[in-house]
Amino acid sequence: DAGVTQSPTHLIKTRGQQVTLRCSPKSGHDTVSWYQQALGQGPQFIFQYYEEEERQRGNFPDRFSGHQFPNYSSELNVNALLLGDSALYLCASSLDDTQYFGPGTRLTVL
Amino acid sequence: GQQVMQIPQYQHVQEGEDFTTYCNSSTTLSNIQWYKQRPGGHPVFLIQLVKSGEVKKQKRLTFQFGEAKKNSSLHITATQTTDVGTYFCAGPINSGYALNFGKGTSLLVTP
Repeated sequence: DAGVTQSPTHLIKTRGQQVTLRCSPKSGHDTVSWYQQALGQGPQFIFQYYEEEERQRGNFPDRFSGHQFPNYSSELNVNALLLGDSALYLCASSLDDTQYFGPGTRLTVL
Repeated sequence: GQQVMQIPQYQHVQEGEDFTTYCNSSTTLSNIQWYKQRPGGHPVFLIQLVKSGEVKKQKRLTFQFGEAKKNSSLHITATQTTDVGTYFCAGPINSGYALNFGKGTSLLVTP
């Protein structure tokens, strides 16, 4: 049984560019959440998708958007990248309260 | 908004010593979860506590949920080098399924 997978593993972008990160949830999980983890900090909640709709959103600007597909996989899009967007982006899938995290995508913005 | 705070931020112990990290929420929580993140890794779920005053044990790890459901602790007995990592507590955001994480306690264990 595959766990949560994310792609790509690492990504380097320049300021102003746009990026798309992808996530496949654990088998049978219908809910996907995205978190941003800056160095030395705890994960910060970006948003959560359930049944292809954004169910809950954290305090992130509209530059951060997402999508969930019928197979429950998800994408995170970030527009107009800023240097401060450099972080580890974690996807987590769940059926209930417990979150199962993927390995993350390390985004570096130059 | 809801805040989850953890202390200490860092802890360095000799192998065999005990370790405790404390978590406090600004609001009452329906449940609290603990995660461990190894260096270079991703958070891994350890346990969920739901009931007021609940105590759960996993081998050398003991987790407690406070009576008021606003604080929690994780105690590790006789630490081992495999315990190295950052321990996070997390509570639900606005009674939803997303989590509000503390900043974590980084544990370093010296052989």
